[in-house]
Amino acid sequence: KAGVTQTPRYLIKTRGQQVTLSCSPISGHRSVSWYQQTPGQGLQFLFEYFSETQRNKGNFPGRFSGRQFSNSRSEMNVSTLELGDSALYLCASRGLDRDEQFFGPGTRLTVL
Amino acid sequence: QQQVKQSPQSLIVQKGGISIINCAYENTAFDYFPWYQQFPGKGPALLIAIRPDVSEKKEGRFTISFNKSAKQFSLHIMDSQPGDSATYFCAARGVYGGATNKLIFGTGTLLAVQP
Repeated sequence: KAGVTQTPRYLIKTRGQQVTLSCSPISGHRSVSWYQQTPGQGLQFLFEYFSETQRNKGNFPGRFSGRQFSNSRSEMNVSTLELGDSALYLCASRGLDRDEQFFGPGTRLTVL
Repeated sequence: QQQVKQSPQSLIVQKGGISIINCAYENTAFDYFPWYQQFPGKGPALLIAIRPDVSEKKEGRFTISFNKSAKQFSLHIMDSQPGDSATYFCAARGVYGGATNKLIFGTGTLLAVQP
């Protein structure tokens, strides 16, 4: 069974630009969560989607948004990038077993 | 607002020794406490997890001890091996309202096991 895949793996953008990150969950998983990982703040929850609906949202500004498609694939968008948005963005999918979340390898975003 | 505090920040253990990482939480509305292991360049991987109605769970060399009254839980790695060198994160999962299914992570512990 293929794991969670995230594209692209690395991304370099400049301040003010916007970026879209993609996540394909494990086949059959309908829940996708996004996390931001930085050395200073650690792992922080961004949002969770289930069956194309956002179920939970973390404490991030409105510049961070996401969506989920009917095939459970999810995208995350960050508009008007700031230097502080440089981070590893992780996607995690969850199946019927509510407990285990499977993380992807992440997208390393660098904002210059 | 940090709700899960993890210590130590880094840990050096000799091969064959015991690695102990501690976490404490501040909110009782958690129903699941996983530990994740992360290697450089990889996403976190679930190592072991426990529910608050259990005081201890063991899987191979890894054991979680859970103290509900003290709101503390710890990870013990027995017979630590160089391959265990990684960053370890504790987490707690919310159970009510907007925190449902949301994992709150500790700040991580960088473990180095010396051969």
